[in-house]
Amino acid sequence: GQNIDQPTEMTATEGAIVQINCTYQTSGFNGLFWYQQHAGEAPTFLSYNVLDGLEEKGRFSSFLSRSKGYSYLLLKELQMKDSASYLCAAMDSNYQLIWGAGTKLIIKP
Amino acid sequence: NAGVTQTPKFRVLKTGQSMTLLCAQDMNHEYMYWYRQDPGMGLRLIHYSVGEGTTAKGEVPDGYNVSRLKKQNFLLGLESAAPSQTSVYFCASTPEAPQDTQYFGPGTRLTVL
Repeated sequence: GQNIDQPTEMTATEGAIVQINCTYQTSGFNGLFWYQQHAGEAPTFLSYNVLDGLEEKGRFSSFLSRSKGYSYLLLKELQMKDSASYLCAAMDSNYQLIWGAGTKLIIKP
Repeated sequence: NAGVTQTPKFRVLKTGQSMTLLCAQDMNHEYMYWYRQDPGMGLRLIHYSVGEGTTAKGEVPDGYNVSRLKKQNFLLGLESAAPSQTSVYFCASTPEAPQDTQYFGPGTRLTVL
């Protein structure tokens, strides 16, 4: 079956760095997405990786290893507004997204 | 641009009632999607459309129907609501290809009693 695993909850300190891991198993693979979702709001796009390696975008970076079925989202210089859920989603051979349950990130001052 | 809008934002139904959720996008996007989001679970695809006049089943289509008569609108219907359909429903759209960024509407919170 198809499956996405990511931690349920993580806590970090303002100004620090946090890494949110995601492992996936899909029938075929057409890329890995990360979305941010604040409580009570809609998901918003953060990153898309289809090739192995690190993609950096400001304070956020995303890494992909296709051979290991693994990705991580790295958030630097954490701010209170980064408190949100982070959703990992892998696109399968039918170009449908398989979503993880999300990682709730709590930022403490 | 308003982006993706959803109507209504909240609704309470009794078991067996029917309703239609409306999704509208003003970005001329080809692909549109309906998801449901339940606590502790990932977003699950209900139905999707790759263009005006087309629809296809997603992961959890039972109990739902959809229509895409106009490119900008994607309707989700519940013919006979059940408590298991209590959820938050999100509509999303992508410009031209499924690998494009998905733009989400604000969601509809539906409770079925």
